[in-house]
Amino acid sequence: AQTIHQWPVAEIKAVGSPLSLGCTIKGKSSPNLYWYWQATGGTLQQLFYSITVGQVESVVQLNLSASRPKDDQFILSTEKLLLSHSGFYLCAWSDWGGAGTGQLYFGEGSKLTVL
Amino acid sequence: GEKVEQHESTLSVREGDSAVINCTYTDTASSYFPWYKQEAGKSLHFVIDIRSNVDRKQSQRLIVLLDKKAKRFSLHITATQPEDSAIYFCAASRNSNNRIFFGDGTQLVVKP
Repeated sequence: AQTIHQWPVAEIKAVGSPLSLGCTIKGKSSPNLYWYWQATGGTLQQLFYSITVGQVESVVQLNLSASRPKDDQFILSTEKLLLSHSGFYLCAWSDWGGAGTGQLYFGEGSKLTVL
Repeated sequence: GEKVEQHESTLSVREGDSAVINCTYTDTASSYFPWYKQEAGKSLHFVIDIRSNVDRKQSQRLIVLLDKKAKRFSLHITATQPEDSAIYFCAASRNSNNRIFFGDGTQLVVKP
């Protein structure tokens, strides 16, 4: 069975500090990977997606970057956090040709509070 | 780009009644319409989906209807139970890309 694990579960960080959030998928080779951001009580904003190792497409610019260093790993990062980065970050995978053809499987999320 | 609107921000029903959540979309090329459930403080998980080649799909107490002409789709939860209480998100996307667009969510409260 496939599993998706996100880390850390929660972070409290200062404005201007760096951030790294991670996501690992086990039991599935070559998944499509996605990062989503959810403001408190808000809708989901897709940030990035990746179809293959080393390739990441940006959907919105929020002063964040993403990388896929291994087939099963997706990293979200920034060098300088803003207050507006606070929220819930969700990693997801799908096993079809794209998000339009198959369901998304979400990780448990990382809650980020920027002070 | 695609815009998905979820018409009910909150919905309150009595246990055992039906709940209906409605969504509209703008992109005529959208062909995949999933629904996700988010319980308080937790992540999302998939509940049901429908593709544009059908107009109705049922899975136990969940029914999804799709009206392509009106660019509208809806989730019907029959015989609601307290554990159905959650935020439900509708979404839409095309088959050919990796963009999926979510509605703003509907908070469903099932009262005993």
